[in-house]
Amino acid sequence: KQEVTQIPAALSVPEGENLVLNCSFTDSAIYNLQWFRQDPGKGLTSLLLIQSSQREQTSGRLNASLDKSSGRSTLYIAASQPGDSATYLCAVRSNYGQNFVFGPGTRLSVLP
Amino acid sequence: EAGVAQSPRYKIIEKRQSVAFWCNPISGHATLYWYQQILGQGPKLLIQFQNNGVVDDSQLPKDRFSAERLKGVDSTLKIQPAKLEDSAVYLCASSLEFGRVNTEAFFGQGTRLTVV
Repeated sequence: KQEVTQIPAALSVPEGENLVLNCSFTDSAIYNLQWFRQDPGKGLTSLLLIQSSQREQTSGRLNASLDKSSGRSTLYIAASQPGDSATYLCAVRSNYGQNFVFGPGTRLSVLP
Repeated sequence: EAGVAQSPRYKIIEKRQSVAFWCNPISGHATLYWYQQILGQGPKLLIQFQNNGVVDDSQLPKDRFSAERLKGVDSTLKIQPAKLEDSAVYLCASSLEFGRVNTEAFFGQGTRLTVV
């Protein structure tokens, strides 16, 4: 059974800092991994999707990496802004299970 | 491109009452998911459809929860009777069918259910 964890649970940084959010999964037989952002009281917004054959994906100030063999993914946010404050969730889709298994999320606060 | 539509956005009911949620996925998306998100936790899958067939409902409390996706498009999720622990946000998501190169999942805004 796939299990996904995220560290840290919460993070508070001053504006302008670069930061890294971590996601770990127990079963390396994954189909893809997706990072989401969730604002309070809102649904999930897709940030990046990494296929199992890829090592990283980039979108603007965001860069996500994937290391299947070690069961890890990181989300790197460059030059953080107060508007980046939200909860960040990673979700893993296994080769045999078609649904996404989510981590508990990292709650990020970027202070002006 | 229109996103995943859900209604209602909020619902407050008393325990033992029934409630239904509606979801309209992105056009052309064969796969539809219902997730339950309890405050402070990541979403947990309740049921997954591929077109109008159920792929995975292993975590759906079938004594009180039911879902259908008639005609392989819209879907409804029902709870009857509701319990206090059902208070959560119910999220609907859709994606292209498994096996495609890009199976990015898109989520709706969710329905926040409060059972009192």
